[in-house]
Amino acid sequence: DVKVTQSSRYLVKRTGEKVFLECVQDMDHENMFWYRQDPGLGLRLIYFSYDVKMKEKGDIPEGYSVSREKKERFSLILESASTNQTSMYLCASSTTGALSPLHFGNGTRLTVT
Amino acid sequence: DQQVKQNSPSLSVQEGRISILNCDYTNSMFDYFLWYKKYPAEGPTFLISISSIKDKNEDGRFTVFLNKSAKHLSLHIVPSQPGDSAVYFCAASQLKGGNQFYFGTGTSLTVIP
Repeated sequence: DVKVTQSSRYLVKRTGEKVFLECVQDMDHENMFWYRQDPGLGLRLIYFSYDVKMKEKGDIPEGYSVSREKKERFSLILESASTNQTSMYLCASSTTGALSPLHFGNGTRLTVT
Repeated sequence: DQQVKQNSPSLSVQEGRISILNCDYTNSMFDYFLWYKKYPAEGPTFLISISSIKDKNEDGRFTVFLNKSAKHLSLHIVPSQPGDSAVYFCAASQLKGGNQFYFGTGTSLTVIP
């Protein structure tokens, strides 16, 4: 079974802090993704990566950056956290093959005060 | 602009009856569609998928129907069980589009015992 592990379930940070959200997958998947989930807005793609050191912007990359130094690990970075970044953050991974669904972690609930 | 839409934020169904969740999309290039189920404080879990070469896919109590001409898909759950109470997201992608998925805003299903 695919396991996608997000390092923190809950985080509380102050405005202006630099925040790191970590995600690790154990199935050797090529693709990794960061989404945020907000009520009424569904899941919105922030960044994704097809390979080590590769990154692509999703629909809402502003205020975020990512790092993928190893295939199994994909980090989301909030350079200077703001209150509008309070959200549920979901990491996912998938293989490159056709008809490959996303496998999600349990999410990190980030609150920025 | 929301390319995948779930126009019903919530749905209540009696146990044993059929639940029908609907999803519409605007991009005619989408050719792979998925449904995810999400419990509170957990990540979405993959439920069922369908590619555009089919118009129906069935897995146990879950059936997904695709109407390409109407750009509409639906998820049927029969019979509905209290454990099916969750938020359901539909998602769409282009198989040649590098596994980038677009999600709807979700429908919260409540199955009443």
